[in-house]
Amino acid sequence: AQRVTQPEKLLSVFKGAPVELKCNYSYSGSPELFWYVQYSRQRLQLLLRHISRESIKGFTADLNKGETSFHLKKPFAQEEDSAMYYCALRAYSNSGYALNFGKGTSLLVTP
Amino acid sequence: EADIYQTPRYLVIGTGKKITLECSQTMGHDKMYWYQQDPGMELHLIHYSYGVNSTEKGDLSSESTVSRIRTEHFPLTLESARPSHTSQYLCASSIDPQGAVGGYTFGSGTRLTVV
Repeated sequence: AQRVTQPEKLLSVFKGAPVELKCNYSYSGSPELFWYVQYSRQRLQLLLRHISRESIKGFTADLNKGETSFHLKKPFAQEEDSAMYYCALRAYSNSGYALNFGKGTSLLVTP
Repeated sequence: EADIYQTPRYLVIGTGKKITLECSQTMGHDKMYWYQQDPGMELHLIHYSYGVNSTEKGDLSSESTVSRIRTEHFPLTLESARPSHTSQYLCASSIDPQGAVGGYTFGSGTRLTVV
């Protein structure tokens, strides 16, 4: 069965420090992965997707099929990056195609 | 403004009451979804729809029901609310079922408390 694991519930870093939010997945098919972010008092929104190989707000994520990972990275964290981050896997199941989300990691960037 | 709207934002209701959580979007998206999220837990898909008169149950079993009579409207109904239904309910829509094009657009959510 497909599963998304975000092992860290809370990650606290200092401003300017590198940050890496971990995401591992299990899926027998060809994975498509996404990162969603929820800032305080805002809605959940798409941050980036692996298929685009893009950098958004300085964040990047590389799909590593060997390690079944899709970690989110930023070299220099900013205070405005403080938010809840969810990794999501597009998977096919009895429900058809839909996004499966991890439990999320709360990132806190302190000055 | 093209967006997705959920009402109410917060609802506290007694056991046994019938409730309907509203979700409407003005983006013309065919695909709509309902997710349930308990505090500190992942989002679980409970219902989805790929178009008018199309509704399917998600991976997480739910006693709620949905309807899709109009493209823009995807309400969720609980015939008899119970404390176990206390949760946050998130509505989302997308152009494609995988969210590969533009991702999913989420509403602000409804936080339901059944007492």
